[in-house]
Amino acid sequence: QVRLVESGGGVVQPGTSLTLSCVASGRSFSYGMHWVRQAPGKGLEWVAVIWYDGSNTYYGDSVKGRFTISRDNSKNTLYLQMNSLRVDDTAIYFCARDQESNYFDPWGQGTLVTVSS
Amino acid sequence: ILTQSPDTLSLSPGERATLSCRASQSVMTYLAWYQQKPGQAPRLLIYDTSSRATGIPDRFSGSGSGTDFTLTISNLEPEDFAVYYCQQRSNWPPTYSFGQGTKLEIK
Repeated sequence: QVRLVESGGGVVQPGTSLTLSCVASGRSFSYGMHWVRQAPGKGLEWVAVIWYDGSNTYYGDSVKGRFTISRDNSKNTLYLQMNSLRVDDTAIYFCARDQESNYFDPWGQGTLVTVSS
Repeated sequence: ILTQSPDTLSLSPGERATLSCRASQSVMTYLAWYQQKPGQAPRLLIYDTSSRATGIPDRFSGSGSGTDFTLTISNLEPEDFAVYYCQQRSNWPPTYSFGQGTKLEIK
């Protein structure tokens, strides 16, 4: 079973940047990966997906043009570069493995990003 | 867009829970359900409308097609009280959406 561990969250000011990481256990990292976020006390919002080889990426409308998903398969690591952060980007950010191009399983434990002045 | 009902469901252990998820347009059978407990990440319960994920007890079942889907939990156990989300994927480009969630609470 794949285990995912996120890191890189913290408190940042509006307009600044932050990069999150997600490290996957196991020898193979040959699967698609997602970022999903959850604002405090709110529901789940899909953020981005990247193909197993990094060849394709897609984003949710609220982060398009500001966030970039990427991966380093040699390090079994997924990234989320977040630029021009806004207060409403405050959330727990989860990474999750893509399953059959339709679902998310498993999920990491999440990392909290707080955007506040 | 996925709309779940009810927002909150109050039941007692041993009862049956029926949670609904309605899509604004047909999603065929590519519909999943997740369970989330406080302070934890979501966990996949059901995928492809009715297939249970690995390790999920058979008291959890999913059904539906087109735009109307149901998650049924028979004989509720204390550990089943949580928030449940449905999720679908759009055809192309691939984007993903979740329902707003149904909180299943102990009555």
